Amino acid sequence: EAGVVQSPRYKIIEKKQPVAFWCNPISGHNTLYWYRQNLGQGPELLIRYENEEAVDDSQLPKDRFSAERLKGVDSTLKIQPAELGDSAVYLCASSFTGDTGELFFGEGSRLTVL
Amino acid sequence: QKEVEQNSGPLSVPEGAIASLNCTYSDRGSQSFFWYRQYSGKSPELIMSIYSNGDKEDGRFTAQLNKASQYVSLLIRDSQPSDSATYLCAVKERSYIPTFGRGTSLIVHP
Repeated sequence: EAGVVQSPRYKIIEKKQPVAFWCNPISGHNTLYWYRQNLGQGPELLIRYENEEAVDDSQLPKDRFSAERLKGVDSTLKIQPAELGDSAVYLCASSFTGDTGELFFGEGSRLTVL
Repeated sequence: QKEVEQNSGPLSVPEGAIASLNCTYSDRGSQSFFWYRQYSGKSPELIMSIYSNGDKEDGRFTAQLNKASQYVSLLIRDSQPSDSATYLCAVKERSYIPTFGRGTSLIVHP
């Protein structure tokens, strides 16, 4: 069974540029999460989807971050414009339902903003 | 604000020893508890989940939960160099998303 797939694995951009990350969850997993992990810290939730509905986005900086999950499968996380402080690893995870805390993570997308 | 506290370490143990990793949490409504392992440069991987007070064993790993003390721990018996990683504690209340601690770095030296 394929795991959670993310792309790109690495991205280096200059500040004020846009960037987008893509995630394909495990087949059959209804819940999709985007987390951000800074160096030496645990993952912090940005947004959670139940199917195509964003049910928890209180931590998403909506002035520059946006996300979508069309048709309840793949998801895209966008940052526009990027700031220096956005440098982090962006992790996508999925689970069968939102009731479980057993998450399956993708390899992550490491963003460096110069 | 739900908080999950872990000592960042590093915790250094010799090969073959027992490694003990600890985690405390602030929300008494928490019901589900998880340990994730994260190798350097890799993503977190679930290794243990525990839902009721007491011990839960899986191979060399034992998770321990004490809800009264708001404390969860992970014991790794017969530690191996391949166990060297960061161990993340995650805590979840019924309808909420898991909250992660900052992780404890474990180093198992030969």
